[in-house]
Amino acid sequence: GENVEQHPSTLSVQEGDSAVIKCTYSDSASNYFPWYKQELGKGPQLIIDIRSNVGEKKDQRIAVTLNKTAKHFSLHITETQPEDSAVYFCAATNQAGTALIFGKGTTLSVSS
Amino acid sequence: KAGVTQTPRYLIKTRGQQVTLSCSPISGHRSVSWYQQTPGQGLQFLFEYFSETQRNKGNFPGRFSGRQFSNSRSEMNVSTLELGDSALYLCASNVGNTGELFFGEGSRLTVL
Repeated sequence: GENVEQHPSTLSVQEGDSAVIKCTYSDSASNYFPWYKQELGKGPQLIIDIRSNVGEKKDQRIAVTLNKTAKHFSLHITETQPEDSAVYFCAATNQAGTALIFGKGTTLSVSS
Repeated sequence: KAGVTQTPRYLIKTRGQQVTLSCSPISGHRSVSWYQQTPGQGLQFLFEYFSETQRNKGNFPGRFSGRQFSNSRSEMNVSTLELGDSALYLCASNVGNTGELFFGEGSRLTVL
């Protein structure tokens, strides 16, 4: 079945550093790749997404890159701040395009 | 605009019992998805409903079931509860296409 692998599972950085989280997906039919941020006690919230016809997308300090050939996509956060501390999930659409399959998450800790 | 509402937020059950969780999607959203979140396993897809029809189902046993009503509200049911069913159950709504999922805050189920 469809599978999304996410690395690393935990990431600790100093405030101001960059953070990179990587994901790989198994289904070549996947065409939508969102990233979600989950803060303690809350549901996940979309922070950025990318579709298969685009290689890179940026929104202020956050960027996502997609390599369809290698089935890799990555989240890049620059100039990290303590409020970036949260669990981040990547996801990819299933073959039918009717569901999102999530990675297991990365716990990002930004220390000041 | 009201967000996704899940009830109850917390509940405790004993093994063998059954439970029903409710989800009210954002007004105008016709798709509702359910996910199980446990530590270390991330978000695992349960099922997705669109206009009262189940369009997709994850790899969970038949004890997990769901339905969607004509007003798009959805319920999921877990019968014969097991200790391993303890988790945060998240509901997400969407207009019905491949795009952003809007998550509720979840129903935290503890099975004793």
